[in-house]
Amino acid sequence: AQSVTQLGSHVSVSEGALVLLRCNYSSSVPPYLFWYVQYPNQGLQLLLKYTTGATLVKGINGFEAEFKKSETSFHLTKPSAHMSDAAEYFCAVSDSTSGGSNYKLTFGKGTLLTVNP
Amino acid sequence: KAGVTQTPRYLIKTRGQQVTLSCSPISGHRSVSWYQQTPGQGLQFLFEYFSETQRNKGNFPGRFSGRQFSNSRSEMNVSTLELGDSALYLCASSFGQGVNEQFFGPGTRLTVL
Repeated sequence: AQSVTQLGSHVSVSEGALVLLRCNYSSSVPPYLFWYVQYPNQGLQLLLKYTTGATLVKGINGFEAEFKKSETSFHLTKPSAHMSDAAEYFCAVSDSTSGGSNYKLTFGKGTLLTVNP
Repeated sequence: KAGVTQTPRYLIKTRGQQVTLSCSPISGHRSVSWYQQTPGQGLQFLFEYFSETQRNKGNFPGRFSGRQFSNSRSEMNVSTLELGDSALYLCASSFGQGVNEQFFGPGTRLTVL
């Protein structure tokens, strides 16, 4: 069974500071990994994904994440936080052997990011 | 291109009632997945449909069911509602084959009194 652990249910940073949201996963097969963002009263929006190839993945809004197999991690970073980044962030894993389809996502509990002026 | 739409956006029901939620995927998408989001359990996978067939199911009781129509629109039904069913129900659509992005709708907020 797959699982995702997001360290820190709440992260607070100052505007302009580095954002680091941690995600560790457990999977018995090579995983597909995703980061989603959720703004209040909205659905989830994909920030970035890792499937195969380059382990450093760049996403929207200046976010990026690095897949580290040896550490089973997929941490999300952004060099400089903006007020508009305040939201809840979810890390998710999918089973790559399921016919190549990512139809079932297992999510972490989420990290609420607060950006202080 | 229109996004994933879910109706209704908000619902209030009482215990014991049943409810049907609707999801219209992005045009051309054949896969629809449903997730339940609660503060305590987070996001949990309910089931996924592709070409009118349920391909996978999460660990939810039989009170939770779904179906998909030939136009890929999907409905989920919850019978004999319990207080613990209060949640945000999210629908996501994708092409359904290969690794592709799931696009989420805004969700239906269900409150069970």
